[in-house]
Amino acid sequence: AQSVTQLDSHVSVSEGTPVLLRCNYSSSYSPSLFWYVQHPNKGLQLLLKYTSAATLVKGINGFEAEFKKSETSFHLTKPSAHMSDAAEYFCVVSAIGNEKLTFGTGTRLTIIP
Amino acid sequence: GAGVSQTPSNKVTEKGKYVELRCDPISGHTALYWYRQSLGQGPEFLIYFQGTGAADDSGLPNDRFFAVRPEGSVSTLKIQRTERGDSAVYLCASSLSPRDDSYNEQFFGPGTRLTVL
Repeated sequence: AQSVTQLDSHVSVSEGTPVLLRCNYSSSYSPSLFWYVQHPNKGLQLLLKYTSAATLVKGINGFEAEFKKSETSFHLTKPSAHMSDAAEYFCVVSAIGNEKLTFGTGTRLTIIP
Repeated sequence: GAGVSQTPSNKVTEKGKYVELRCDPISGHTALYWYRQSLGQGPEFLIYFQGTGAADDSGLPNDRFFAVRPEGSVSTLKIQRTERGDSAVYLCASSLSPRDDSYNEQFFGPGTRLTVL
């Protein structure tokens, strides 16, 4: 069984300041971990993925995440927030070779001008 | 190129009615997935097709839900005797054939918003 817990349902940051969205996972197998973003009235888009290669993963739009097995965490960060980053972010887990994605409940990111 | 498309974008129906939701995957993608996203929640897996066959239907909530993919491309999610609790956004995704040692990105459509009155 596998699951993810997104620790914050809502995060607000000022434009130009760092972003941190927290995610903890639970998995019986070596997990694959992802972050997806959902902008209003748009489809889900993959930001980045971890599949047992490098533990620091770089994604699109300046986002990155670090896989920490000892802490069972996969937090998403960005050094400087942009207004266009305002969206819903989902932490997602699957087992390698298992096609089913298990989503967290999401974190809504608000950017303050 | 064209992404995953879903029709209709919105569907309003009455309790007890039958509905069909359609998904057109990206051309060449052999894997197709259905998810359901209730208000304020993350998407939940319903069913996964590899080609024409359902490889994993463990997420279908009950026997009122059924999905087909007869020619290995377009898929239809069918809901019988709809209930108010079925109201949600139904998402479709497609990918290249998954491999045991890798992950193929799932590309999501915009979803169908189903409202059961």
